[in-house]
Amino acid sequence: GENVEQHPSTLSVQEGDSAVIKCTYSDSASNYFPWYKQELGKRPQLIIDIRSNVGEKKDQRIAVTLNKTAKHFSLHITETQPEDSAVYFCAASRSNNAGNMLTFGGGTRLMVKP
Amino acid sequence: EAGVTQSPTHLIKTRGQQATLRCSPISGHTSVYWYQQALGLGLQFLLWYDEGEERNRGNFPPRFSGRQFPNYSSELNVNALELEDSALYLCASGRRRNEQFFGPGTRLTVL
Repeated sequence: GENVEQHPSTLSVQEGDSAVIKCTYSDSASNYFPWYKQELGKRPQLIIDIRSNVGEKKDQRIAVTLNKTAKHFSLHITETQPEDSAVYFCAASRSNNAGNMLTFGGGTRLMVKP
Repeated sequence: EAGVTQSPTHLIKTRGQQATLRCSPISGHTSVYWYQQALGLGLQFLLWYDEGEERNRGNFPPRFSGRQFPNYSSELNVNALELEDSALYLCASGRRRNEQFFGPGTRLTVL
């Protein structure tokens, strides 16, 4: 089955700096890679996703890059703000009509210091 | 558009008992996925229901089961509860190969 590893497990940055979280996956057939943000006591919130037919996707201050050859993908947050503090999870799946079961990484706790 | 809802918010049971957790998907979504988030751990895929059928299950014992109703809402049942079943149980809804949106979760505590 799929295995997703996520690094670092904790990340502390100064407000305004950039943050990068990296994930690697094992199943070369995986084709869908979402990122979720989970604030303390709240539900995971989908913040951005990418499919294997593109290499990069941006949405305002966040971007995701995908390297299919190396089987890794990364989340980039620019101009970090205190409200970006949360746990971020990457995930991977073989998304098709047979379903979209997500395999998650272990999470990264991001702390943005004002 | 209303989001995914789950009930109850919290559930306290003792070892050996059974727990029933409920999930209502976003209108128009036919798939419900269940995940377990144990303390300090990531999310582990439990079960997938679509169009009223169980389509796939993760690496969990058979005492984790459930069903999906004609209105696409879903129920997760955990029999013969063990201490290590204490976790946040999250459901997510979506349309087959598309994005998943999570509910707020049910915190299950087994004493």
